[in-house]
Amino acid sequence: SQKIEQNSEALNIQEGKTATLTCNYTNYSPAYLQWYRQDPGRGPVFLLLIRENEKEKRKERLKVTFDTTLKQSLFHITASQPADSATYLCALWGNQFYFGTGTSLTVIP
Amino acid sequence: DAGVIQSPRHEVTEMGQEVTLRCKPISGHDYLFWYRQTMMRGLELLIYFNNNVPIDDSGMPEDRFSAKMPNASFSTLKIQPSEPRDSAVYFCASTYTGSSYNSPLHFGNGTRLTVT
Repeated sequence: SQKIEQNSEALNIQEGKTATLTCNYTNYSPAYLQWYRQDPGRGPVFLLLIRENEKEKRKERLKVTFDTTLKQSLFHITASQPADSATYLCALWGNQFYFGTGTSLTVIP
Repeated sequence: DAGVIQSPRHEVTEMGQEVTLRCKPISGHDYLFWYRQTMMRGLELLIYFNNNVPIDDSGMPEDRFSAKMPNASFSTLKIQPSEPRDSAVYFCASTYTGSSYNSPLHFGNGTRLTVT
């Protein structure tokens, strides 16, 4: 079955710095990968999608990369703000829709 | 668009009782998913439907769990009998895939189930 691992359960960074989150997957070659944000007490909310033929995707302060050789996606938040504090999940369609383990990000003012 | 609606938001019940969770997907969506989230195991897919038909229920823990989708606008997840280890947040999500599987999932705000 598909296994998706995200880097360290919790990541703390100073406001203004760039946060980099990692997503590693195995056992499948997805055509695309998605990233979600989840706030406490809420369901995950879609942020970005990147296709296998796209090396990089940007949306405002967010940037996602997709390396199908390494089976890895990186999610960057530049100029981070306390409001970016949340759990971030990567996800992909295998033979079902899989989510990663999630990374809890805290941006310290 | 009201989004995916789940009810109840919180459910506290005693071990052995039947629990029914409800979900109304976004109108026009053809896929519906039920997930369970815990600190230890993260988001686990329990079952998903396509056009009201169950496609994959391999994530359903055991026979105590059952899910139905009688029509395109309603789904239920039932646990009978409930056990303390079923305590978790249960999410429903829907999406419209059309001809490609790159559509994002839209989640409800979940039902927090506590079984004592």
